[in-house]
Amino acid sequence: KQEVTQIPAALSVPEGENLVLNCSFTDSAIYNLQWFRQDPGKGLTSLLLIQSSQREQTSGRLNASLDKSSGRSTLYIAASQPGDSATYLCAVHGSSNTGKLIFGQGTTLQVKP
Amino acid sequence: DVKVTQSSRYLVKRTGEKVFLECVQDMDHENMFWYRQDPGLGLRLIYFSYDVKMKEKGDIPEGYSVSREKKERFSLILESASTNQTSMYLCASSSTVSGNTIYFGEGSWLTVV
Repeated sequence: KQEVTQIPAALSVPEGENLVLNCSFTDSAIYNLQWFRQDPGKGLTSLLLIQSSQREQTSGRLNASLDKSSGRSTLYIAASQPGDSATYLCAVHGSSNTGKLIFGQGTTLQVKP
Repeated sequence: DVKVTQSSRYLVKRTGEKVFLECVQDMDHENMFWYRQDPGLGLRLIYFSYDVKMKEKGDIPEGYSVSREKKERFSLILESASTNQTSMYLCASSSTVSGNTIYFGEGSWLTVV
């Protein structure tokens, strides 16, 4: 059974710092991996999707990498800002194409001004 | 712009009531999902549907049913609400055509008293 783990559960950094959020999964046979952002009391916003054949994806200050063989993904946030404060979740699709996701518990990020 | 709309943001229902949570997407996605999100437990899949009138159980289907009569609409039904169903409910949709990027609604906060 696929399990997704995110460490740390919470992170606090000063504004301007570059940071890395970690995601690991137990079964390397994934279809793709997706990173989300969730603000308190809100739904999830998709940030980046990495297909299983890709190694990384970039969007603005965000860069997500994928290493299937080791079961790891990282989300790199450059030059963090207070507006980046949120919970970040990663989720993996299994090998089917139905879109069913397995989520990690998330990392809650606080960026201090 | 992508849109998944959950009709009710906040609901308070009594134990034993029948509860309907409605979700509509405007992207012609074939896949739709219902998750619940609880502190410490993360997001858990209740049901998903990969086509009209098709449904599959997720990880925690007990006490829930779903209906998908039209492609754009996916309803979650609590036949007899119980206090342990107090939670945040999130609807989502995706399409294999667009690489299975999953889009979420804003969430419905349900309190059962």
